[in-house]
Amino acid sequence: AQSVTQLDSQVPVFEEAPVELRCNYSSSVSVYLFWYVQYPNQGLQLLLKYLSGSTLVKSINGFEAEFNKSQTSFHLRKPSVHISDTAEYFCAVITQGGSEKLVFGKGTKLTVNP
Amino acid sequence: DSGVTQTPKHLITATGQRVTLRCSPRSGDLSVYWYQQSLDQGLQFLIQYYNGEERAKGNILERFSAQQFPDLHSELNLSSLELGDSALYFCASSPRDYLSTDTQYFGPGTRLTVL
Repeated sequence: AQSVTQLDSQVPVFEEAPVELRCNYSSSVSVYLFWYVQYPNQGLQLLLKYLSGSTLVKSINGFEAEFNKSQTSFHLRKPSVHISDTAEYFCAVITQGGSEKLVFGKGTKLTVNP
Repeated sequence: DSGVTQTPKHLITATGQRVTLRCSPRSGDLSVYWYQQSLDQGLQFLIQYYNGEERAKGNILERFSAQQFPDLHSELNLSSLELGDSALYFCASSPRDYLSTDTQYFGPGTRLTVL
């Protein structure tokens, strides 16, 4: 069965600093990978996803993530964060062609301080 | 606003009781998904319905059941409630039947508290 590990439960950073939120997965078969964001008191929103093709995927608000098959990672990065990026970020995985079960990591709380 | 609505926003009930959570998907979306978010278990996929039929099942307990009606709204029924069922329950919808590749749009959630 697949699993997702988000190594940091909380990440505090200052505004305009770079940030990396780490995600590693475990699966015996190929996977699709996702990052979701949950702003305070809101539902989840899809931030970006990797299905196939280029291993670097980007969101419209400046985040990007790179799929690294050899390291089974899908880390999320942003070169310069804003106060409005304060939220909880969830990495998720689903196996290709297998039982359709989306598995989430425990989440990383990103707090951007002025 | 994602276009997905959930009612009620908050629900407080006692152990042993039964509750029903309701979800209306975005206009035109045929798939509805249910998730549970708790401090202990994190975020878990429960079940997916597509056009009235069950399509995928996750970590849904036998005490829980769901259905999708002809107008495409969905209900999640939770029975014999336990303290550990206290959680935020999200509904999401997507246009098609592709759990793996479709973008899912999430509702604001229903916060269930079991006392």
